[in-house]
Amino acid sequence: QKEVEQNSGPLSVPEGAIASLNCTYSDRGSQSFFWYRQYSGKSPELIMFIYSNGDKEDGRFTAQLNKASQYVSLLIRDSQPSDSATYLCAVQSYNTDKLIFGTGTRLQVFP
Amino acid sequence: NAGVTQTPKFQVLKTGQSMTLQCAQDMNHNSMYWYRQDPGMGLRLIYYSASEGTTDKGEVPNGYNVSRLNKREFSLRLESAAPSQTSVYFCASSEQGENGYTFGSGTRLTVV
Repeated sequence: QKEVEQNSGPLSVPEGAIASLNCTYSDRGSQSFFWYRQYSGKSPELIMFIYSNGDKEDGRFTAQLNKASQYVSLLIRDSQPSDSATYLCAVQSYNTDKLIFGTGTRLQVFP
Repeated sequence: NAGVTQTPKFQVLKTGQSMTLQCAQDMNHNSMYWYRQDPGMGLRLIYYSASEGTTDKGEVPNGYNVSRLNKREFSLRLESAAPSQTSVYFCASSEQGENGYTFGSGTRLTVV
């Protein structure tokens, strides 16, 4: 079982819709959770992080964490074609700087 | 603000050749990392350095060596390149207590 699992997609949504990206993790000691966006041929860039159970909102992005279910998600509201990219979920365990990445979900937003 | 700088951006090697990928950060971060990214495999940790003078193996260290030359620089060396090392390599840095990594722009390596 992979430590961090994501559906590879592609997830296709129309412009203006809500895109929902999901991630599960296996290490119950995981403390910090990150979402990175990666455009084709570019390096990952951090868009959200969350530490506590519940929701965290930043503009059009909402991260949701449920540690009991070992589940973290990213919602993108009012999706735009510029949001088309691969979204990487990353998990950090207690007392380490190392991140474990999922394989990413490719999001396609069509006009 | 340069952030994390990787060189070269592209490289083609013949099987058996050696090369060093360079990485430097100007954010005064203690921790630095080397990842490789392959289609369908995601980012996999090769080596990391929690501080100057220390290095540790990650998930896929075989065929690689690293040097943490000083706080700024962390290099990755391929002693005898193999086609299986064809990949995109990312260097990253972080500071404990801060949020996530800052990545370099990547090195696209092809071994023929």
